[in-house]
Amino acid sequence: RKEVEQDPGPFNVPEGATVAFNCTYSNSASQSFFWYRQDCRKEPKLLMSVYSSGNEDGRFTAQLNRASQYISLLIRDSKLSDSATYLCAVNKLGQFYFGTGTSLTVIP
Amino acid sequence: DTEVTQTPKHLVMGMTNKKSLKCEQHMGHRAMYWYKQKAKKPPELMFVYSYEKLSINESVPSRFSPECPNSSLLNLHLHALQPEDSALYLCASRPGTGGTLSGDEKLFFGSGTQLSVL
Repeated sequence: RKEVEQDPGPFNVPEGATVAFNCTYSNSASQSFFWYRQDCRKEPKLLMSVYSSGNEDGRFTAQLNRASQYISLLIRDSKLSDSATYLCAVNKLGQFYFGTGTSLTVIP
Repeated sequence: DTEVTQTPKHLVMGMTNKKSLKCEQHMGHRAMYWYKQKAKKPPELMFVYSYEKLSINESVPSRFSPECPNSSLLNLHLHALQPEDSALYLCASRPGTGGTLSGDEKLFFGSGTQLSVL
C-alpha cells in the first residue's frame, strides 16, 4: 500500500474558480504534512505546511484531518499562474513521502 | 536563504561511464536527501543522511553510491547505469533530524540534475 494517495487529476478550471485537492495517507504515525508545488521540469517548491487547526496563506487554505488521515488544499480565486502540479507530502520519522501530484490548469 | 545547489543541471552518460552528482547547502541543515523522479511520477526517496551518516537506504541498487564528505556536501556516484535510470535526481535538505513535530521539519529541494543514460 502506498504511503500517500492522491488523485492525479487533471483539473482544468477557469480563472477565478475555487479548486480543492485531497490526499490520504496510510500511516497514522505520520508526523507532519505539507503541500508542494511543482512546475514542469522544475523541483518541488514548498507551498505550505498543514496543521489540524487549518492554516491559510492568502488564497490558499490547507487542512489536516488526523482521524480520517487526509489532508486538503483549497485554492480560491484561481490565477493562470497557479497552473502546476500540486504534491502532498507526509513526514514519518524524517522520511518524506510524496503523493503522485495533482495537475492543475487554470484556463483564461 | 533556503538554497540547495545541485550540479550539473543536465548530464548525459553512457552505460559504462562513471559520473557524480553534487549537492551543496550552507544553511546548517543536518539532514540531506537524494530523490529520483521520473516524468509524471512523485519523487521517490533513495537515501537520507543524518549528521553525515547514512541513515536510510531505500533498497537502491549498488550502481548508485552516495557520499557525504561533510555537513554541507552530498554526492551521488553513478556507475554502470541503465537507460531506465534516466530521471530527474533531486537533492533536498532539512534543518533537523528528529521525528518530532517542530518548525524545522520542512524539506527544501535543489533544482535537480536531469540525467539521461544512453
